[in-house]
Amino acid sequence: NAGVTQTPKFQVLKTGQSMTLQCAQDMNHEYMSWYRQDPGMGLRLIHYSVGAGITDQGEVPNGYNVSRSTTEDFPLRLLSAAPSQTSVYFCASSFRQGSFYNEQFFGPGTRLTVL
Amino acid sequence: KNQVEQSPQSLIILEGKNCTLQCNYTVSPFSNLRWYKQDTGRGPVSLTIMTFSENTKSNGRYTATLDADTKQSSLHITASQLSDSASYICVVSFSGGYNKLIFGAGTRLAVHP
Repeated sequence: NAGVTQTPKFQVLKTGQSMTLQCAQDMNHEYMSWYRQDPGMGLRLIHYSVGAGITDQGEVPNGYNVSRSTTEDFPLRLLSAAPSQTSVYFCASSFRQGSFYNEQFFGPGTRLTVL
Repeated sequence: KNQVEQSPQSLIILEGKNCTLQCNYTVSPFSNLRWYKQDTGRGPVSLTIMTFSENTKSNGRYTATLDADTKQSSLHITASQLSDSASYICVVSFSGGYNKLIFGAGTRLAVHP
């Protein structure tokens, strides 16, 4: 199992450019999510999905779009990059066990800089 | 407001020593509490998950405790190794929802030889 993979590892964009961060998992997990991690702050949820075709907003969704056409893939799209979106982005997946969601498996992250 | 606060912000210890990291939370209704380890430049990795009814859980040299009455948790690391150098993140889930996770800012631990 490769677990959760993310591409690219690093990206530099100019303000106004768009791009897609890729995320894939091979553990057949229902639940996938995107977080951003900024210095001195906890991870913040951007968008999440509870299954193919189902997505919802997290805490900080503005400026980002997601879709989930398959169980394996959950891409994150930046519509028009802004310097405030400079951050490290993590994709995670999980499965439900009993009454709560089990441990999350995180990808290695994408470090994004917007100039 | 749901919050998770960790202390200290950073910590330096010598190899072989023990240490304890703290996590205080104001999250309601509480579902479970998780500790993650994050190596520099990598994604977080789960260490333990504790529900309301559990007050201690171990994973090798890592032992987490939970006091749901005082809303406090600690992560104790025994006989530290250089590879323990990382950030340790406390995460509290409320209502059990997948989107209902509050992340602490983490404690950065450095283990020196």
